[in-house]
Amino acid sequence: EAGVAQSPRYKIIEKRQSVAFWCNPISGHATLYWYQQILGQGPKLLIQFQNNGVVDDSQLPKDRFSAERLKGVDSTLKIQPAKLEDSAVYLCASSLVTSRQYFGPGTRLTVL
Amino acid sequence: KQEVTQIPAALSVPEGENLVLNCSFTDSAIYNLQWFRQDPGKGLTSLLLIQSSQREQTSGRLNASLDKSSGRSTLYIAASQPGDSATYLCAVKWEGGSEKLVFGKGTKLTVNP
Repeated sequence: EAGVAQSPRYKIIEKRQSVAFWCNPISGHATLYWYQQILGQGPKLLIQFQNNGVVDDSQLPKDRFSAERLKGVDSTLKIQPAKLEDSAVYLCASSLVTSRQYFGPGTRLTVL
Repeated sequence: KQEVTQIPAALSVPEGENLVLNCSFTDSAIYNLQWFRQDPGKGLTSLLLIQSSQREQTSGRLNASLDKSSGRSTLYIAASQPGDSATYLCAVKWEGGSEKLVFGKGTKLTVNP
């Protein structure tokens, strides 16, 4: 069974630029999560999708972050414009409804 | 506020030693608790999941216990090996319908040959 796929693995941008990350969950997993992990911290949930609907985006900085999950499969997380404090690893996870979450390898973002 | 705390932040042990990693959480009304492993530059690998009704879970050399009343969980690693070197994260899902996991900051374990 293929795991959660993410791309790119690494991205370096300058502040005020925009960036997008892509996630492909495990086939059949209805729930998709985006987490932000700042160096030395545990992951923090940014947004949770159930199929293509948003369940929880209470910690998503909506003035600069946006996410979508078209057709209830792949998802894209966008940051526009990026700030220095957005430097982090962005992790995507997926799960069947109310079950264990499986994580992708993450995208490491560096904002200069 | 629902929070997860892990102590110590870092731990260094000689190969072969048995060790315990600690996790504490506020609010005992948890749904389940998971222990994850994270290698540098990699994603998270789920090691053990304990449901709120369970007291412990075992997988190979790993044993996780849960004491909801005291708000604590421990991850016991027997006969540690250099390959166990990684960051170990504890994550809690609380009751109430949300699927959100709240993570601790992790314990960075180094097992020296």
